[in-house]
Amino acid sequence: EPEVTQTPSHQVTQMGQEVILRCVPISNHLYFYWYRQILGQKVEFLVSFYNNEISEKSEIFDDQFSVERPDGSNFTLKIRSTKLEDSAMYFCASIYSYDFARQYFGPGTRLTVT
Amino acid sequence: DQQVKQNSPSLSVQEGRISILNCDYTNSMFDYFLWYKKYPAEGPTFLISISSIKDKNEDGRFTVFLNKSAKHLSLHIVPSQPGDSAVYFCAASANTGTASKLTFGTGTRLQVTL
Repeated sequence: EPEVTQTPSHQVTQMGQEVILRCVPISNHLYFYWYRQILGQKVEFLVSFYNNEISEKSEIFDDQFSVERPDGSNFTLKIRSTKLEDSAMYFCASIYSYDFARQYFGPGTRLTVT
Repeated sequence: DQQVKQNSPSLSVQEGRISILNCDYTNSMFDYFLWYKKYPAEGPTFLISISSIKDKNEDGRFTVFLNKSAKHLSLHIVPSQPGDSAVYFCAASANTGTASKLTFGTGTRLQVTL
């Protein structure tokens, strides 16, 4: 089965630093998402992206966050100035069409902010 | 704002018995429901889904039941196997004609004992 891949698997950064989390969605998928899961909590939606623009974003996704699809394969999440509370697992997901709600998730990037 | 709730944080079942995981939702706009399975340090893996026009969907050992009037769904696993031990997340989606996000519950940790 095709897979969503994410790099790095673990990122440690100091508070205030910028981080970029990378994702390669499944090749023919058109809709892309970022979610996060703080340790012990539920998976939370951050942002959805379609046709090179943000479709929807949550209240978590403030001005410190941005997403980009710089080429035909990568989908990135940038956090401009990390805070301690940004420490979480970040999951990328993709689907081919919004008619199919089953989202394919990547393995996640564990972000640790110290 | 807990639109999707899983009230049992954990469940222990003997191998071979039935596991029943429950999920309640409050948003009437949800029209598609999914169950994801998650192992530690991995991304959520799709298990089974159901559209709001159905009340039951079956796939092998897994059956999902939907009671729209009660805004309740359940996942039945029969027979339970040790490899089923994981955290199970209920998720819901509202088809808004765009890149619909998934709203997750808090998860139920299932342990299948020998």
